[in-house]
Amino acid sequence: SQQGEEDPQALSIQEGENATMNCSYKTSINNLQWYRQNSGRGLVHLILIRSNEREKHSGRLRVTLDTSKKSSSLLITASRAADTASYFCATDGGSNYKLTFGKGTLLTVNP
Amino acid sequence: DAGITQSPRHKVTETGTPVTLRCHQTENHRYMYWYRQDPGHGLRLIHYSYGVKDTDKGEVSDGYSVSRSKTEDFLLTLESATSSQTSVYFCATLSREGSYEQYFGPGTRLTVT
Repeated sequence: SQQGEEDPQALSIQEGENATMNCSYKTSINNLQWYRQNSGRGLVHLILIRSNEREKHSGRLRVTLDTSKKSSSLLITASRAADTASYFCATDGGSNYKLTFGKGTLLTVNP
Repeated sequence: DAGITQSPRHKVTETGTPVTLRCHQTENHRYMYWYRQDPGHGLRLIHYSYGVKDTDKGEVSDGYSVSRSKTEDFLLTLESATSSQTSVYFCATLSREGSYEQYFGPGTRLTVT
């Protein structure tokens, strides 16, 4: 069963605008990750936030985590056409470093 | 791509035929995973391996088997392919123990007619 659920399912913005995607999950976690998938390619890890962290930054990415609400958000600032991709959240899924992925948000950045 | 290759990259097969997909990694990672990706479902774990000859089932393992006889190769077999197994299959490795970050291969698009 899916642990994470991204919202919105699809998002279309103009270049230079900020993009915010949300992820909600159901059970307690140790960490949450965000991955990007360009069309026809494999997933690429973007950022990991641990359950004892509230916010993390990496370049133009900002991730927040609210464990009381079981939710996370990914903010991409000053978006570029190259940011067009699907974005997935993933939560740790038990032993052996298994992950449970959400269904993803399709972000389209229009030039 | 973290040294992960998948073969074949595309395959069309008929219902009832056996199919084997191969994942090959060059980084000597202990943990390897097979996922399938379908519209509206995201990625779902099929099987995973935590060492040579050590494998276990994931969320959607029915109709699939795996084998890992060498560290570098993780094979996924569909014993008798069905149309419901039409999907894109991704292999992944764990970047390092202690981290949950996974590296993904480029995927195999499988169509069962």
